[in-house]
Amino acid sequence: EDQVTQSPEALRLQEGESSSLNCSYTVSGLRGLFWYRQDPGKGPEFLFTLYSAGEEKEKERLKATLTKKESFLHITAPKPEDSATYLCAVQAGGGYQKVTFGIGTKLQVIP
Amino acid sequence: NAGVTQTPKFQVLKTGQSMTLQCAQDMNHEYMSWYRQDPGMGLRLIHYSVGAGITDQGEVPNGYNVSRSTTEDFPLRLLSAAPSQTSVYFCASSYSRGGKDEQFFGPGTRLTVL
Repeated sequence: EDQVTQSPEALRLQEGESSSLNCSYTVSGLRGLFWYRQDPGKGPEFLFTLYSAGEEKEKERLKATLTKKESFLHITAPKPEDSATYLCAVQAGGGYQKVTFGIGTKLQVIP
Repeated sequence: NAGVTQTPKFQVLKTGQSMTLQCAQDMNHEYMSWYRQDPGMGLRLIHYSVGAGITDQGEVPNGYNVSRSTTEDFPLRLLSAAPSQTSVYFCASSYSRGGKDEQFFGPGTRLTVL
């Protein structure tokens, strides 16, 4: 059974204080690992898809990396508007497979 | 593009009532899914569709029905609402083309069953 574990559950940072969120996963043949941002009362917003170990993707202050067992979402010099819950999800390969989500990391960036 | 739209935004039902949550997408995506999100739990897949006329069960399908008569629409039906179905429901559409996979979510429907 596919599993996704995110840590920490909550993270409080000062504005400008860089940090990383962790996503550990087990999946039978990874098709893709997804990162989303979710603001309160809204649907998840797609950020990245990573496909193979060693791959990296960047968007503004966010950089996602992937190994065979985990993914990291690095946040460089965060701003208060980066405050949100960040969700990680995995999809197995072989035709259409369901996407399994983690519970998320709630990030708060304090001015 | 409007992306993924869902109606209603909020709904209150009594136990035993039925209703349909609407979902539409205008991106011509082949895949569509319904999830529920509960506190302390990740998004859980209810039903999904890989194309018009094709649907399948996800992780938590009991008490829900779906159909997909067009590429654009994917309604979710609650047959006889129960308090355990109180949740936030998200519809998503996705594609897999040219080695690229992306999934987009609607704004959600917050459902309370009394």
